[in-house]
Amino acid sequence: DTEVTQTPKHLVMGMTNKKSLKCEQHMGHRAMYWYKQKAKKPPELMFVYSYEKLSINESVPSRFSPECPNSSLLNLHLHALQPEDSALYLCASSQRQGLNEKLFFGSGTQLSVL
Amino acid sequence: AQSVTQLGSHVSVSEGALVLLRCNYSSSVPPYLFWYVQYPNQGLQLLLKYTSAATLVKGINGFEAEFKKSETSFHLTKPSAHMSDAAEYFCAVAKKTSYDKVIFGPGTSLSVIP
Repeated sequence: DTEVTQTPKHLVMGMTNKKSLKCEQHMGHRAMYWYKQKAKKPPELMFVYSYEKLSINESVPSRFSPECPNSSLLNLHLHALQPEDSALYLCASSQRQGLNEKLFFGSGTQLSVL
Repeated sequence: AQSVTQLGSHVSVSEGALVLLRCNYSSSVPPYLFWYVQYPNQGLQLLLKYTSAATLVKGINGFEAEFKKSETSFHLTKPSAHMSDAAEYFCAVAKKTSYDKVIFGPGTSLSVIP
């Protein structure tokens, strides 16, 4: 299994809603990532988990809250989002966090905030 | 500081023609370099990576890239374009700061004309 699975594929939410994005991999990878990608732009790193511990937070607003319940799962909890947060949210994993690591990406969750 | 530039936000080639996508990096030391491809409505997939073992790197789907230190370039080529190659291509560099981070270039959209 070389897949990173993200659910849901599409999500529409209001600014007062609370929702969660889910990501799962069964490749035994110990580093997992959240990226945000606006249309026609490159992915931007948000968070990195290494061995289930938060390793990097790229100064992301607190309305985004990551969680890594175990080595296979990564969640992104959303609360009080703004319309400008509408984007494709990509999850990725790698064997470990490092310069030479290949990133495996999921297909993403397309989020629209109304 | 390390960054990546990709000359040409959009490239069109005829089916069967040579594909050349340009990438230049700025780095004080030879970095780790990657090419990722993103098909519509999907996540990113690694095409190939340079890790200093060989300057000519062969990847998947017939793509290859050559690392040229004197030109600080890592251009992506494919001898004969297929319709299925139409996608967004991102050059990326791995950056060593207080932590390991991959920085993506702005991307080049490749169109293949029948």
